[in-house]
Amino acid sequence: GQQLNQSPQSMFIQEGEDVSMNCTSSSIFNTWLWYKQDPGEGPVLLIALYKAGELTSNGRLTAQFGITRKDSFLNISASIPSDVGIYFCAGQLVGTGNTGKLIFGQGTTLQVKP
Amino acid sequence: DARVTQTPRHKVTEMGQEVTMRCQPILGHNTVFWYRQTMMQGLELLAYFRNRAPLDDSGMPKDRFSAEMPDATLATLKIQPSEPRDSAVYFCASGLPEVGRDSNQPQHFGDGTRLSIL
Repeated sequence: GQQLNQSPQSMFIQEGEDVSMNCTSSSIFNTWLWYKQDPGEGPVLLIALYKAGELTSNGRLTAQFGITRKDSFLNISASIPSDVGIYFCAGQLVGTGNTGKLIFGQGTTLQVKP
Repeated sequence: DARVTQTPRHKVTEMGQEVTMRCQPILGHNTVFWYRQTMMQGLELLAYFRNRAPLDDSGMPKDRFSAEMPDATLATLKIQPSEPRDSAVYFCASGLPEVGRDSNQPQHFGDGTRLSIL
């Protein structure tokens, strides 16, 4: 089946550092989403991307929809301790818009040292 | 903010017992998804419904799992009989895909039911 390859699997960084993570696939997507999951909670939407090449920011977060429609990245600038959590990319394959069905990456676990 | 509500938040029970998990989607959302999250497999889609009708339940073990939407405000996921390998966090998500549009609004997740089968 279709897969999303998310990397890195985990990151341990110092507070104040910038973070970058990405997702790639051999399939073409029409939507890319980035979620964050805190311990004991469900994933919360951070950024949604709908057009190839689209670059969208949400505070210190910036995400881009790759021009080939097969990848996306998420950057976090000037990390702070509350950025700790698991970040998931999710994509919706072309042609599946009516279902809303998403494919999820395996997640990037971020730890921030104060 | 509107939220997806899941109950119970935690469930511990013995192998062989029936487990029922409930989900109240966001009002107005017509599509409901059930996911299972484990350390090994990540987020797996079990089943999803549109306007209360099942669209796809191919991710769900049919012999012991069943999913229903008795009405627009309630989705249920049942396991009978439960087994230790069913221990996981089960998430419900809801969304509002637009017919005829290829890219749609994102899914919103509940906080999950953490299930432990002893």
